[in-house]
Amino acid sequence: EAGVVQSPRYKIIEKKQPVAFWCNPISGHNTLYWYRQNLGQGPELLIRYENEEAVDDSQLPKDRFSAERLKGVDSTLKIQPAELGDSAVYLCASTVGLAGEQFFGPGTRLTVL
Amino acid sequence: AQSVSQHNHHVILSEAASLELGCNYSYGGTVNLFWYVQYPGQHLQLLLKYFSGDPLVKGIKGFEAEFIKSKFSFNLRKPSVQWSDTAEYFCAVNGNQAGTALIFGKGTTLSVSS
Repeated sequence: EAGVVQSPRYKIIEKKQPVAFWCNPISGHNTLYWYRQNLGQGPELLIRYENEEAVDDSQLPKDRFSAERLKGVDSTLKIQPAELGDSAVYLCASTVGLAGEQFFGPGTRLTVL
Repeated sequence: AQSVSQHNHHVILSEAASLELGCNYSYGGTVNLFWYVQYPGQHLQLLLKYFSGDPLVKGIKGFEAEFIKSKFSFNLRKPSVQWSDTAEYFCAVNGNQAGTALIFGKGTTLSVSS
């Protein structure tokens, strides 16, 4: 069974540029999460989807971040414009039903110069 | 506020030494508890989890953890570490409603020398 797929794995951009990350969850997983992990910290939730609906986006900085999961499968997270403080690893995770365990992708390491 | 506290930032052990990593949480209501591990160059993967029942849970690679409700703790243990256990370990908690996001601690880096 394929795991959570993310691309790109690494991205280096200059501040004020836009950037997008893509995630394909495990097949059949209806719940998808985007987390951000700053250096030396644990992951922190940005947004959670149940199918195509964003059910928790309270931690998403909506002035510059946006996300979508149009068909309830893969998802895109966008930052526009990026700031120096956005440098972090962006993790995607998925789960299904009451299983509880979240499966994580390899993450995208973003560096903003 | 909901939070997870991991007591040790960096632990250095020799092979065959015993390991205990501390984790305390603050979370209202019934909780699920997790330990995730991230080996160098790899993604986060589940080590073990507690949902209900026996508070002593066993995970992969000889790890175990004990949930002590009165202390809001979920400490990770291994009686004899190996060099291959070198990794970063994260304690996490969420509510028992399906799909609730995880709240992570800051992580503990374990370095095991051979």
